[in-house]
Amino acid sequence: SQQGEEDPQALSIQEGENATMNCSYKTSINNLQWYRQNSGRGLVHLILIRSNEREKHSGRLRVTLDTSKKSSSLLITASRAADTASYFCATDLYLRGKLIFGQGTELSVKP
Amino acid sequence: DADVTQTPRNRITKTGKRIMLECSQTKGHDRMYWYRQDPGLGLRLIYYSFDVKDINKGEISDGYSVSRQAQAKFSLSLESAIPNQTALYFCATSEDSQETQYFGPGTRLLVL
Repeated sequence: SQQGEEDPQALSIQEGENATMNCSYKTSINNLQWYRQNSGRGLVHLILIRSNEREKHSGRLRVTLDTSKKSSSLLITASRAADTASYFCATDLYLRGKLIFGQGTELSVKP
Repeated sequence: DADVTQTPRNRITKTGKRIMLECSQTKGHDRMYWYRQDPGLGLRLIYYSFDVKDINKGEISDGYSVSRQAQAKFSLSLESAIPNQTALYFCATSEDSQETQYFGPGTRLLVL
């Protein structure tokens, strides 16, 4: 089964609104990462948050991590049509040396 | 020029054929990965390599093999392609296994 699971699977919003995506995982991690994928293209790294961090910002992105609940959220503020993409969380299994990706949230931002 | 390149970008092949997908990187990273992506299943790890002499199976290695010819090159082979190997294949690199991965543009494979 997947280590990371995103919720919702799909999200449709209007331009200017905020988009929130959630990720839950099952085991202890060193860090959690969020990636973006435009249709059919390679994934692009957005942000990494370490297990000892609770919140991190990058431009219009805000990521939170709650290790007690084994969950993370990605907030995109003031969304734009260009934010339309799939967003994946990825966790590294502690000491395993590899990332496990979730199934992704498909975000559609309508102009 | 892209840091991680994959060839071919698209490939159509027939059941039973052997094919090779190639990945090259100019980032100087030791760690390289092969994933496949299927609709609704996210990315699944096929093989990964921490250096030229270290190759490891991922969660779905059956039916696949890899070769790490050099630090910069990591090839994925399908020895005898079957239709359920139709997918989008990605190569990725990282400097450290816990850090950011850099993805290639992907190879879209169709097995008839």
